Amino acid sequence: DTGVSQNPRHKITKRGQNVTFRCDPISEHNRLYWYRQTLGQGPEFLTYFQNEAQLEKSRLLSDRFSAERPKGSFSTLEIQRTEQGDSAMYLCASSLRGSAYEQYFGPGTRLTVT
Amino acid sequence: LAKTTQPISMDSYEGQEVNITCSHNNIATNDYITWYQQFPSQGPRFIIQGYKTKVTNEVASLFIPADRKSSTLSLPRVSLSDTAVYYCLVDGGSQGNLIFGKGTKLSVKP
Repeated sequence: DTGVSQNPRHKITKRGQNVTFRCDPISEHNRLYWYRQTLGQGPEFLTYFQNEAQLEKSRLLSDRFSAERPKGSFSTLEIQRTEQGDSAMYLCASSLRGSAYEQYFGPGTRLTVT
Repeated sequence: LAKTTQPISMDSYEGQEVNITCSHNNIATNDYITWYQQFPSQGPRFIIQGYKTKVTNEVASLFIPADRKSSTLSLPRVSLSDTAVYYCLVDGGSQGNLIFGKGTKLSVKP
């Protein structure tokens, strides 16, 4: 399977702990996006990378959130000092630069903060 | 960014054609119209994109009238596996930060 993969698929953590998620995009895609989705809502954009450069961050991405894509391949999203309101599905997507609106999504990481 | 309005939910039966209409009255000249499909516990999947008139692929057709203030996603002969949430998006930027609404939850019954 050469699609977008995300790990872990599920994460349960206690409030105040730090968590890190990983996304492996489709290998030839130079753009990588992170979204967050809560129950009954559509995905909300968080941030995106073109190669290793983080080009845009949503206001939803508080200073407790940080994302990296160190070599322009996989990406990590870290949440520090998790809060219950961080409970959501975190989705990663990738695309080619010239096809930014045709994004390929991974299965997501479901985070539950207790 | 253009705002979209689409029905919250729709019901259909297997074998029927389903048309989901999306309103985007404030669409800008350089905006494209894109539709995504999302099954439970999966990420969204790109279905189709268009600018004007009609676009067809192996999954669906997209009809866009001349004023481009609305669009209709047409799914021919739906099956139970087409039960999903369908999102209509419009945006003219080149950055690809997709703006999703709540979508239309389509339920296909036997």
